Amino acid sequence: NAGVTQTPKFQVLKTGQSMTLQCAQDMNHEYMSWYRQDPGMGLRLIHYSVGAGITDQGEVPNGYNVSRSTTEDFPLRLLSAAPSQTSVYFCASRTSGPSGDTQYFGPGTRLTVL
Amino acid sequence: DAKTTQPNSMESNEEEPVHLPCNHSTISGTDYIHWYRQLPSQGPEYVIHGLTSNVNNRMASLAIAEDRKSSTLILHRATLRDAAVYYCIPNYGSSNTGKLIFGQGTTLQVKP
Repeated sequence: NAGVTQTPKFQVLKTGQSMTLQCAQDMNHEYMSWYRQDPGMGLRLIHYSVGAGITDQGEVPNGYNVSRSTTEDFPLRLLSAAPSQTSVYFCASRTSGPSGDTQYFGPGTRLTVL
Repeated sequence: DAKTTQPNSMESNEEEPVHLPCNHSTISGTDYIHWYRQLPSQGPEYVIHGLTSNVNNRMASLAIAEDRKSSTLILHRATLRDAAVYYCIPNYGSSNTGKLIFGQGTTLQVKP
């Protein structure tokens, strides 16, 4: 299993541009999440999904859209990039079993908005 | 409001045990306590989790207080590779969503 994969690893955008961060998992996990991590800070939840077709907002959803058309993929869209969205973005997944199940994280996408 | 508190930083010597404390006084009876760590420039990785009983795995041990208002992550012999930020994350009612709410965590430094 490849686990959780994210593309691209690095991205530079200009203010106002849009883009999609890709996330895929091959573990057949129902739950997937997107987090952002600003320098020196902990992770903050952006959006999450409990299954295909079901998404919900986390702590900091503004400026981001998500969709979940398949179990495997959970893309994060930046609608109009702003410098405040400069951050490292992590995708994660886990099964829908008992609440103690392990969550697996991808390697991250480092985004800079100029 | 649910609140988790951890020391901002701790230091340890290599080969010695490390006890990382966490207070979670508003935890409910069904909230699991998760610990994750984040090595420099990497995504978080799972360390251990538990509900009521003490737990052991190959990475660490988790000691949970009888009243469940606090827990301690124990690294039995710290290595340089254990230098990381350690996050204590109770579910706080999010067990059916997969949500993890990260705080600031404890930055562990390991001295050779």
